[in-house]
Amino acid sequence: AQSVTQPDIHITVSEGASLELRCNYSYGATPYLFWYVQSPGQGLQLLLKYFSGDTLVQGIKGFEAEFKRSQSSFNLRKPSVHWSDAAEYFCAVGAAYGNKLVFGAGTILRVKS
Amino acid sequence: GAVVSQHPSRVICKSGTSVKIECRSLDFQATTMFWYRQFPKQSLMLMATSNEGSKATYEQGVEKDKFLINHASLTLSTLTVTSAHPEDSSFYICSARVPSEAGELFFGEGSRLTVL
Repeated sequence: AQSVTQPDIHITVSEGASLELRCNYSYGATPYLFWYVQSPGQGLQLLLKYFSGDTLVQGIKGFEAEFKRSQSSFNLRKPSVHWSDAAEYFCAVGAAYGNKLVFGAGTILRVKS
Repeated sequence: GAVVSQHPSRVICKSGTSVKIECRSLDFQATTMFWYRQFPKQSLMLMATSNEGSKATYEQGVEKDKFLINHASLTLSTLTVTSAHPEDSSFYICSARVPSEAGELFFGEGSRLTVL
């Protein structure tokens, strides 16, 4: 069965510090992987996606993610966090682009000044 | 990017009534839309896949007679929560597939339903 694990429910980082949000997936075929961000009471915005090619993917807002097949991971990183990055982040896996997604439980990011 | 709009953004209703939530693709035609439900402090759970002109495909455990989905046009899918009960209170989010090579999904703003 498909599943996504985000082991960290909450993460707090200082503004300007680096960030890494963890994501591990279980999928029977080659996965399409996504990271979304959700602000309170809002829908989801796509940060980045991966299916094939370079395993380091660049996204919007300065985010990047690295796909590691051997570890079944797709961790999200940002070199320097801004206060506006405070939100909830979801990792998701699907069978294709535009297909239904299985989401992780989410990681709430808090940024302290 | 493409825009998906949901309406209403918030709705409060009495137990036993029915509530309709609309999901519209504003600048593209969406043959497929997905409805998710998000419980407080939890992740999104797929409820059903809505296909234009045909019956929705429901995920296991989702009551199709309670959560009626209609995808009557290429820009509109509706979710009707029938005979709502307090346990139906949740955040409902739709997403629509953009018919391009990337087939990217765009999400609506979500609709918060509170059943009293």
